[in-house]
Amino acid sequence: LAKTTQPISMDSYEGQEVNITCSHNNIATNDYITWYQQFPSQGPRFIIQGYKTKVTNEVASLFIPADRKSSTLSLPRVSLSDTAVYYCLVGFSGGYNKLIFGAGTRLAVHP
Amino acid sequence: GAGVSQSPSNKVTEKGKDVELRCDPISGHTALYWYRQRLGQGLEFLIYFQGNSAPDKSGLPSDRFSAERTGESVSTLTIQRTQQEDSAVYLCASRPTGSSGNTIYFGEGSWLTVV
Repeated sequence: LAKTTQPISMDSYEGQEVNITCSHNNIATNDYITWYQQFPSQGPRFIIQGYKTKVTNEVASLFIPADRKSSTLSLPRVSLSDTAVYYCLVGFSGGYNKLIFGAGTRLAVHP
Repeated sequence: GAGVSQSPSNKVTEKGKDVELRCDPISGHTALYWYRQRLGQGLEFLIYFQGNSAPDKSGLPSDRFSAERTGESVSTLTIQRTQQEDSAVYLCASRPTGSSGNTIYFGEGSWLTVV
């Protein structure tokens, strides 16, 4: 299973763009990269997923370089409500898929 | 149901008692996961069920912890002789059949307090 490394915490201000990078040096060929968001007292929820290059949805963008050994979650123009813990997850989609979460990145957005 | 349902949402129990936590996955989801999250900590993997295969129990912290799942339906996590360090939120998640990637859906958790 690919191990992931993320910053423990980050601070930002409303309206700024936030980029959270995750390292996954031993990612396997079939592994996908997925990001989750967790608010206090709630279960994590899916944000975005990608395999390579760039993926964008209504919430975030995910940038994955060609070697796939890292990925960057980009949150445009954050607001106070984006204060949460963000988890990077790497794993194979098919068949057996034991999903291990890392420690996550605590993002604090300030006024 | 529309999402993963867990019960009870909150449980306070005395040290030494047994507790059962229940998870109803999204209908048709073959994969089911249990995680533990202590206050202010990350998600700790406990156990993984994939269809009718033998579950992966490698995350269970001690033999006081056990889990069952019948087919692709409800799962029960049992903690025997609870200890104060078992206090945490226990999160259940399920994944669709043939899912591409790692998209899993979490319940709201069962908050366990051992006093």
